[in-house]
Amino acid sequence: DAGVIQSPRHEVTEMGQEVTLRCKPISGHDYLFWYRQTMMRGLELLIYFNNNVPIDDSGMPEDRFSAKMPNASFSTLKIQPSEPRDSAVYFCASSWAQLNGYTFGSGTRLTVV
Amino acid sequence: QQQVKQSPQSLIVQKGGISIINCAYENTAFDYFPWYQQFPGKGPALLIAIRPDVSEKKEGRFTISFNKSAKQFSLHIMDSQPGDSATYFCAASMGGTYKYIFGTGTRLKVLA
Repeated sequence: DAGVIQSPRHEVTEMGQEVTLRCKPISGHDYLFWYRQTMMRGLELLIYFNNNVPIDDSGMPEDRFSAKMPNASFSTLKIQPSEPRDSAVYFCASSWAQLNGYTFGSGTRLTVV
Repeated sequence: QQQVKQSPQSLIVQKGGISIINCAYENTAFDYFPWYQQFPGKGPALLIAIRPDVSEKKEGRFTISFNKSAKQFSLHIMDSQPGDSATYFCAASMGGTYKYIFGTGTRLKVLA
């Protein structure tokens, strides 16, 4: 298994532009999570899905952020318009049971200038 | 009540020494406590996890100690090696939610 695959690995964009981050979870995992990691705030859960349905999006910082999971093998996190304070590493993780923990992807480092 | 407090923020240990990282929580509904290890440029990886019905769990050089009454748990790394140098996160979740609350992380450096 290739693990959780995220793309792109790095993204540099100008303020005001739309940014789309992509994630392919591990096959058979029915939970998918989007986290954001910064030095100041650590790891923050943004949203998670179960069987492609959003369960908890209370961590999404504002309406500029949206996430979709159109099928079991793909999810996107979109920021529109992007702002410099959105600069962070965004992780996708998937899981199929609490006892097995999450498997994280390698992350997307987003820099908004 | 949803927070998990982790200390220390950073830790330097000599090779062969014991590394100890502590976490504390308030919410007694938490019932699953994993530890994650993160190397630079990588995502966190599950290291070891414990449930509150046991007081200790050991996997190789890594041990979780759990004190339910004090609402504290800790990670002990025995015979610490330079390859253990990484950031360690504790976390907690409530049954059925799959939603982890992570600690703020501890940056461990093991000197050769």
